[in-house]
Amino acid sequence: AQSVTQLGSHVSVSEGALVLLRCNYSSSVPPYLFWYVQYPNQGLQLLLKYTTGATLVKGINGFEAEFKKSETSFHLTKPSAHMSDAAEYFCAVRGAGGGNKLTFGTGTQLKVEL
Amino acid sequence: DTAVSQTPKYLVTQMGNDKSIKCEQNLGHDTMYWYKQDSKKFLKIMFSYNNKELIINETVPNRFSPKSPDKAHLNLHINSLELGDSAVYFCASSPRTGVGYGYTFGSGTRLTVV
Repeated sequence: AQSVTQLGSHVSVSEGALVLLRCNYSSSVPPYLFWYVQYPNQGLQLLLKYTTGATLVKGINGFEAEFKKSETSFHLTKPSAHMSDAAEYFCAVRGAGGGNKLTFGTGTQLKVEL
Repeated sequence: DTAVSQTPKYLVTQMGNDKSIKCEQNLGHDTMYWYKQDSKKFLKIMFSYNNKELIINETVPNRFSPKSPDKAHLNLHINSLELGDSAVYFCASSPRTGVGYGYTFGSGTRLTVV
């Protein structure tokens, strides 16, 4: 079965600083990986996804993630944090079997300080 | 025009009651899901339907019963509500069951059982 582990349940950065949210996956087959963002009292919004092809994936709001098979990682980055980036971020994996369900990590709360 | 809409947004009810949450998507997607998000923000899949057919049924109490009258609608009925059922319930949809597709989420229904 596929799973993802998010390191750090809370991350705090200064406005303008680099954002790095960590995600490692476990999968016996090529994984399909996703990052979602959840703003307070809202649903989840897809930031970006990796399926096949280019390992550096660009998403919305200036976020990007790099798939590294050798490290089984799919970390999310943004060069310069903005106050509006404060939210909960979820890494997720979708793989063959089990109805191809999307399995989420435990989430990382991003706080952006002035 | 909301892509995945859930009603109601908030639901406060007493233990032992029966309640329903409705979900509709206008994206033309074939597959719909119910997820439960607990107080620690952990997201767990409950059910999935593909073209009105149940394809994922996780370990969920029998008190929870999904119903899909057509592929655009997926409702969740909960009997004999318990305190532990308090959570945010998200409906989602995806174009197919294929692993490369992300989900589109509704804005959630916050259920509080008192």
